[in-house]
Amino acid sequence: VQLVQSGAEVKKPGESLRISCKTSGYSFTSYWIGWVRQMPGKGLEWMGIIYPRDSDARFSPSFRGHVSISVDKSISTAYLQWSSLKASDTAMYYCAISRRLARYDAFNFWGQGTMVSVSS
Amino acid sequence: DIQMTQSPSSLSASVGDSVTITCQASQDISNYLNWYQQKPGKAPSLLIYDTSNLEGGVPPRFSGSGSGTSFTLTVTSLQVEDVATYYCQQYDDLPHTFGQGTKLEIK
Repeated sequence: VQLVQSGAEVKKPGESLRISCKTSGYSFTSYWIGWVRQMPGKGLEWMGIIYPRDSDARFSPSFRGHVSISVDKSISTAYLQWSSLKASDTAMYYCAISRRLARYDAFNFWGQGTMVSVSS
Repeated sequence: DIQMTQSPSSLSASVGDSVTITCQASQDISNYLNWYQQKPGKAPSLLIYDTSNLEGGVPPRFSGSGSGTSFTLTVTSLQVEDVATYYCQQYDDLPHTFGQGTKLEIK
């Protein structure tokens, strides 16, 4: 199993952004994929999760409405997207897949992280 | 949201020591509790799921216990490679909140 995330991004406030998480080595449509934020020097924050088979997505109230999560089943890739970035979005973002088939529970495989820097 | 509170926030121990990290949930989460290890500059990795089950490849010096609202992660025979920040996570209810982390250092 591999999760390979897109490279670091440097953006300005108000800009849009989509980062990716390309997966391989397992049945992409059968396991929930989640996103986790880690602000500089801080802890882990659960953002949201999506089931690739039907794109059913669930969000933390802290992130709902500010980010969107999507998938492209044809290339086994998940995305995290912002329409208008803020400086407070500066963080490392990790994708990860749930351990159990068709359930969201522990994340047992993680991407390497994508650093997003937002500054004017 | 369910709040997860870890203690201590940091600790320092010697090679060979045993250490215990606690995690308190703001409400009953049964055994829906995971532990992760994050080494400096790396992505987190799953250590323990469902309170007490070791993920594959995790050394048996790691163990977890608890139920309801109170949980512990114990590391026996501490090794240099155990230097990391440890996080608990509940998955009883969305969002699957993490504790604030416990930074483990070697004396």
